[in-house]
Amino acid sequence: AQSVTQLDSQVPVFEEAPVELRCNYSSSVSVYLFWYVQYPNQGLQLLLKYLSGSTLVKGINGFEAEFNKSQTSFHLRKPSVHISDTAEYFCAVSDYDTNAGKSTFGDGTTLTVKP
Amino acid sequence: NAGVMQNPRHLVRRRGQEARLRCSPMKGHSHVYWYRQLPEEGLKFMVYLQKENIIDESGMPKERFSAEFPKEGPSILRIQQVVRGDSAAYFCASSPPSLSTDTQYFGPGTRLTVL
Repeated sequence: AQSVTQLDSQVPVFEEAPVELRCNYSSSVSVYLFWYVQYPNQGLQLLLKYLSGSTLVKGINGFEAEFNKSQTSFHLRKPSVHISDTAEYFCAVSDYDTNAGKSTFGDGTTLTVKP
Repeated sequence: NAGVMQNPRHLVRRRGQEARLRCSPMKGHSHVYWYRQLPEEGLKFMVYLQKENIIDESGMPKERFSAEFPKEGPSILRIQQVVRGDSAAYFCASSPPSLSTDTQYFGPGTRLTVL
């Protein structure tokens, strides 16, 4: 069984400040890792994903995340946030097994960027 | 290439009625997943389907819920005799028929309100 824990339910920051959204996971098998963003009343948009290779993954909108296998973490970072980054962010994990397409999601982190 | 389409976007039902949610995957995608998002929570996996087959329904409630993905037409999530607790956003995702089902593309969701 897999689980995902997003350590902060709400993260308020000021515009142009750096931000880190934390995500820890547990799994008995190798996994893929994802970060999604959800704007109000919309679906999920993929920000970035880790499949294999380099542990530092760069995504859209200036976000990046680092996979740390020993700490089972996949924290999301952005060096300078904008007002438009205000949204809900979800970390997700899915099995490396080719027959298991389902993802397990964290409960989300609400990022609020203040002027 | 149109993305994943879901309709209706909003659905209101009275207790005891039936709700039918439709999902048209991206062109060329043959894997469909349904997720439910309760208020203030993350997405919870419900069911994974391929054309004419249910692959994994471990997240589906045992009663009142059913899903299908026929050879022709959209995938349907059907909820019979809805109750207030069924009020949620229901998201559909699709992925291509490759060996690796690592990336899912999400639709905008159907927001079900049960009065």
